[in-house]
Amino acid sequence: KQEVTQIPAALSVPEGENLVLNCSFTDSAIYNLQWFRQDPGKGLTSLLLIQSSQREQTSGRLNASLDKSSGRSTLYIAASQPGDSATYLCAVLTTDSWGKFQFGAGTQVVVTP
Amino acid sequence: NAGVTQTPKFQVLKTGQSMTLQCAQDMNHEYMSWYRQDPGMGLRLIHYSVGAGITDQGEVPNGYNVSRSTTEDFPLRLLSAAPSQTSVYFCASTPGSGLAANVLTFGAGSRLTVL
Repeated sequence: KQEVTQIPAALSVPEGENLVLNCSFTDSAIYNLQWFRQDPGKGLTSLLLIQSSQREQTSGRLNASLDKSSGRSTLYIAASQPGDSATYLCAVLTTDSWGKFQFGAGTQVVVTP
Repeated sequence: NAGVTQTPKFQVLKTGQSMTLQCAQDMNHEYMSWYRQDPGMGLRLIHYSVGAGITDQGEVPNGYNVSRSTTEDFPLRLLSAAPSQTSVYFCASTPGSGLAANVLTFGAGSRLTVL
């Protein structure tokens, strides 16, 4: 069974610092991996999706990398801003479990002015 | 384009009562799913559907029922509510095909408390 872990559970950084968020998974036979943002009391918003054949994906200040062999993905947020404060979750779709996205518990980020 | 709409946003039930959480999407997405989110546990899949008339169980299906009679709607039924079902419930959908085939679009969530 695929297990997805996000460490640390919480992170606080000063404004302007780069954010590095980690996502680990136990089964490397994945179809894709997604990163989401969740604001308090709200639903999840998709940030980036990386297909299994890709090494990274970029959108503005966000860059996500994928290393299937080591079972890791990293989300980088450059020059963090207070508006980046949220919980970030990753989700994995495994090739033998299509339709069953497996989520990590998330990393709660606070960017202080 | 409303996206994924969930109702109600908040609900309080007594143990043993039944209710239905509604989910509707207007994006013609083939895939729809229900998750529950509990503190420190991330999202766990309850049931999902890959098209009208097709449903399957996720990780935590016990105590919940679903049906998919149309592409747009995917209601989640709690048959006999228990305090362990106190949670925030999210409905999500994906197109199922095309470039964004697996990009999940979430509803705003339904917070359920069972007393």
